[in-house]
Amino acid sequence: NAGVTQTPKFRVLKTGQSMTLLCAQDMNHEYMYWYRQDPGMGLRLIHYSVGEGTTAKGEVPDGYNVSRLKKQNFLLGLESAAPSQTSVYFCASSWTGGNQPQHFGDGTRLSIL
Amino acid sequence: LAKTTQPISMDSYEGQEVNITCSHNNIATNDYITWYQQFPSQGPRFIIQGYKTKVTNEVASLFIPADRKSSTLSLPRVSLSDTAVYYCLVGGPGGGKLIFGQGTELSVKP
Repeated sequence: NAGVTQTPKFRVLKTGQSMTLLCAQDMNHEYMYWYRQDPGMGLRLIHYSVGEGTTAKGEVPDGYNVSRLKKQNFLLGLESAAPSQTSVYFCASSWTGGNQPQHFGDGTRLSIL
Repeated sequence: LAKTTQPISMDSYEGQEVNITCSHNNIATNDYITWYQQFPSQGPRFIIQGYKTKVTNEVASLFIPADRKSSTLSLPRVSLSDTAVYYCLVGGPGGGKLIFGQGTELSVKP
């Protein structure tokens, strides 16, 4: 039982490149989330999904897109990477919303040069 | 959106009780308070969650006063392995209104 798995763990991009971060959960959770973590700022919600086929914006959605074609997967895309998007990205899942514990992956460390 | 504020860092010694307080003045009626622990190079891990009064589990207690504008995570008899960053999260059932505090870096010394 893997829980929440994020791929890749590390990546270096050049400004303007695109990439997709993958998140998979095997707990049959309805809700999934993407956060970014920056020094001194805690975790900030980028996008979230309340079920297969749904997505919604969080606190800091600009520059990112997401898709949830399958219940177990939640993809985060950067269409044109910028240095300001250098961060550690965490995916999480939960049965329902903020009144349920979230299960986190171990993060993707992304550097944009 | 509610803003959550917690101390940036705390120091303690092995065997002591540690209390970390989070301020959330604008908490909404249906918001819950959740605390997470994070070690370097890992994702946050759930510790405890509550709505009001006191909640206790095998690793921690959570105290929430009647006005719910703050909450206190209590770690009894900490050990070196409790050195980590602790986050307070305030969030409702909808999924999108999730506000983390900046995190409290707890350092436990021998």
